[in-house]
Amino acid sequence: GEDVEQSLFLSVREGDSSVINCTYTDSSSTYLYWYKQEPGAGLQLLTYIFSNMDMKQDQRLTVLLNKKDKHLSLRIADTQTGDSAIYFCAESIGGYNKLIFGAGTRLAVHP
Amino acid sequence: DVKVTQSSRYLVKRTGEKVFLECVQDMDHENMFWYRQDPGLGLRLIYFSYDVKMKEKGDIPEGYSVSREKKERFSLILESASTNQTSMYLCASSTGTGGMVEQFFGPGTRLTVL
Repeated sequence: GEDVEQSLFLSVREGDSSVINCTYTDSSSTYLYWYKQEPGAGLQLLTYIFSNMDMKQDQRLTVLLNKKDKHLSLRIADTQTGDSAIYFCAESIGGYNKLIFGAGTRLAVHP
Repeated sequence: DVKVTQSSRYLVKRTGEKVFLECVQDMDHENMFWYRQDPGLGLRLIYFSYDVKMKEKGDIPEGYSVSREKKERFSLILESASTNQTSMYLCASSTGTGGMVEQFFGPGTRLTVL
């Protein structure tokens, strides 16, 4: 069945770049997403990429997609303490806009 | 601004109680979803609904049921709560169209079953 995997923790120093990785299994996914969850809140869409693209840049965020290896990454440049959160990778499957989420990567930013 | 609200932020119930979690969205979205979030497991889909009175099972529907009598409201029901249903429950909604579609999430209900 469909599965999305990502590492659970990442710790970076403030000002460094963070790279969060994700692998997925459904090659028919049209869109892949990154959601962010801040403490005590629900998830919010951070960015997404269409499956026929291999890169998307949005200010400090860069998404890379390697469709052959089914690998997705999110790079956050100049990471700030406000970026501390859980980041979820998700792929769209089937109809009704269903998403399959990874376990989430908890990003800790330290001075 | 899309708003998804959930009836409670925190809930404590006893084993065997019937529990209702309510979710309301104000953007006339066709689709609504219930997830549970557990550390190390991420979000797992319990049920979703694509229209009033329509529902589909997700990946972990056992022990849960849902109700969607009005378009804006989607309820999750635990018929007889058990301790393994202690979790964070998240509701989400989205439009029904294809393409890139964002799911909008509520703040979550942290349920503890004693």
